[in-house]
Amino acid sequence: NAGVTQTPKFQVLKTGQSMTLQCAQDMNHNSMYWYRQDPGMGLRLIYYSASEGTTDKGEVPNGYNVSRLNKREFSLRLESAAPSQTSVYFCASSYGTGAYNEQFFGPGTRLTVL
Amino acid sequence: GENVEQHPSTLSVQEGDSAVIKCTYSDSASNYFPWYKQELGKGPQLIIDIRSNVGEKKDQRIAVTLNKTAKHFSLHITETQPEDSAVYFCAGSRAGGADKLIFGTGTRLQVFP
Repeated sequence: NAGVTQTPKFQVLKTGQSMTLQCAQDMNHNSMYWYRQDPGMGLRLIYYSASEGTTDKGEVPNGYNVSRLNKREFSLRLESAAPSQTSVYFCASSYGTGAYNEQFFGPGTRLTVL
Repeated sequence: GENVEQHPSTLSVQEGDSAVIKCTYSDSASNYFPWYKQELGKGPQLIIDIRSNVGEKKDQRIAVTLNKTAKHFSLHITETQPEDSAVYFCAGSRAGGADKLIFGTGTRLQVFP
């Protein structure tokens, strides 16, 4: 079991460029999440997908879009990158969003926007 | 909405000593409090959690305590080892909903041999 995988590991973009961060899980989980991690701010939820076919905004959704491609895959797209989106992005998954479901995190993507 | 504050931001201890990390939360309806450990270059990993109907939970060298009246919870690591060095995050949520996890800002723990 690979768990949660993310690609790429590192990315440098220029302001205005677009890119898609990929995430896949092999644990047959129903729910998937995208977080960003900034120094001194902990992890903040960008978007989540409670189940295949559904997506919802989290705490900081502006500037991002997501696609739940199938049960395994959940992608995060930056349409027009801005320096404020420089961050480490983590994908996570859990069996469900109900009470007390443990979230399993991927290794992260470090994104720099110049 | 919920706000979780975490202290200290950095903590250095000698191997074998204890380490304590404290968090406070604002939403009295929060009832689930997990702790995550993040090693360098990796994603966070759940190490222990506590629900609001329990005051304390232990797992080997790790324990978490919860004071609902004061709205704070703490992580206690005893007999620290160099492999405990990592960033630790507390989190809180209402009704245990994973989509509503609010994380603290993290504590970098360094254990010196």
